[in-house]
Amino acid sequence: DAGVTQSPTHLIKTRGQQVTLRCSPKSGHDTVSWYQQALGQGPQFIFQYYEEEERQRGNFPDRFSGHQFPNYSSELNVNALLLGDSALYLCASSDIGGFYGYTFGSGTRLTVV
Amino acid sequence: KQEVTQIPAALSVPEGENLVLNCSFTDSAIYNLQWFRQDPGKGLTSLLLIQSSQREQTSGRLNASLDKSSGRSTLYIAASQPGDSATYLCNTGGFKTIFGAGTRLFVKA
Repeated sequence: DAGVTQSPTHLIKTRGQQVTLRCSPKSGHDTVSWYQQALGQGPQFIFQYYEEEERQRGNFPDRFSGHQFPNYSSELNVNALLLGDSALYLCASSDIGGFYGYTFGSGTRLTVV
Repeated sequence: KQEVTQIPAALSVPEGENLVLNCSFTDSAIYNLQWFRQDPGKGLTSLLLIQSSQREQTSGRLNASLDKSSGRSTLYIAASQPGDSATYLCNTGGFKTIFGAGTRLFVKA
């Protein structure tokens, strides 16, 4: 049973560029959540997608956007990259309310230079 | 607004010790509480999930308790091993998960 799959594993981008990160949820899950984790800190909630719509959003600017596809997979897009966007980006899947907990992927390490 | 605090921020213990990690939260209206382990630069591995109606969960050497009324959860690790060295994170579940900053654990051989 495949868990949560994220791609790519590592990425280096230049300031001002745009980036797209991808996530495939665990089989049986229909909800995808994205997190940003800076070094030495806990994950910060970016947003959550269910039924192809953004249902919840954390305190992140509009440069951060996402999409969910009919097969429940999801993308995180970040525009106009800043040095401060360098972080580990984590994807988690769950049922809609997270009542049975969250399953996380291995993350994408984004470095902005 | 939910806030989650984990104490201590870091912990170094000799192998074989029993230890307790603490997680406190400000809003007791949670669906569940989940404990994770994170190795450096890696994703999160779920350790234990406690539903709001439960008081504790056990898995092997790990035991997690939940006291919603006081806004606290503890993770008890018995007979610690060097392989337990990692960062331990708790989060309050539901629609919008909130994480603590984690406890960095180092178990010395």
